[in-house]
Amino acid sequence: ETGVTQTPRHLVMGMTNKKSLKCEQHLGHNAMYWYKQSAKKPLELMFVYSLEERVENNSVPSRFSPECPNSSHLFLHLHTLQPEDSALYLCASSLVSAGETQYFGPGTRLLVL
Amino acid sequence: AQSVTQPDIHITVSEGASLELRCNYSYGATPYLFWYVQSPGQGLQLLLKYFSGDTLVQGIKGFEAEFKRSQSSFNLRKPSVHWSDAAEYFCAVSPGTYKYIFGTGTRLKVLA
Repeated sequence: ETGVTQTPRHLVMGMTNKKSLKCEQHLGHNAMYWYKQSAKKPLELMFVYSLEERVENNSVPSRFSPECPNSSHLFLHLHTLQPEDSALYLCASSLVSAGETQYFGPGTRLLVL
Repeated sequence: AQSVTQPDIHITVSEGASLELRCNYSYGATPYLFWYVQSPGQGLQLLLKYFSGDTLVQGIKGFEAEFKRSQSSFNLRKPSVHWSDAAEYFCAVSPGTYKYIFGTGTRLKVLA
């Protein structure tokens, strides 16, 4: 496989469930990102990992917990979510340098009931 | 504060017509500038980017963009739109490492 892959593509969960989103990149990049995309709002950068260390955490609620076990994999662990967390969650990767192009996965469409 | 403005939420053009999507940014220096396209159910795909040099940048799928420092703009253009260009287009700036600011997007509809 090439590029950035995300699983699952669709997820429906209740507010008391625990689930995880997975992202994998096959581009040899060393930075990975989680974004939240909601209708009529700009992409919201949630977390950034560089060389497997978290470098950005943009005031994201603790019910979202990222994990980056190596430079190719990124997870987003979800628990006790709220309906307003329903959105498209996009993963991206890039090289670590100013102005580098981000490559995006297809996203996970999350619906919280 | 750094920001990106895409003033047109929706644009409709006829197939074969020319297209211009507007993007304005707010940043003290010249940032790295990007245009991405997102088809339904897909992630964002890079169309083109600018970081220095020639202010007219060529991208994929016949798109180009022009950087105008005096207007803080980076408008995307295509001379003849195809029905397959219907999608959402995002302008973005990168003021530094790990920092990317996206506009709210412009949804393009193409009439046959």
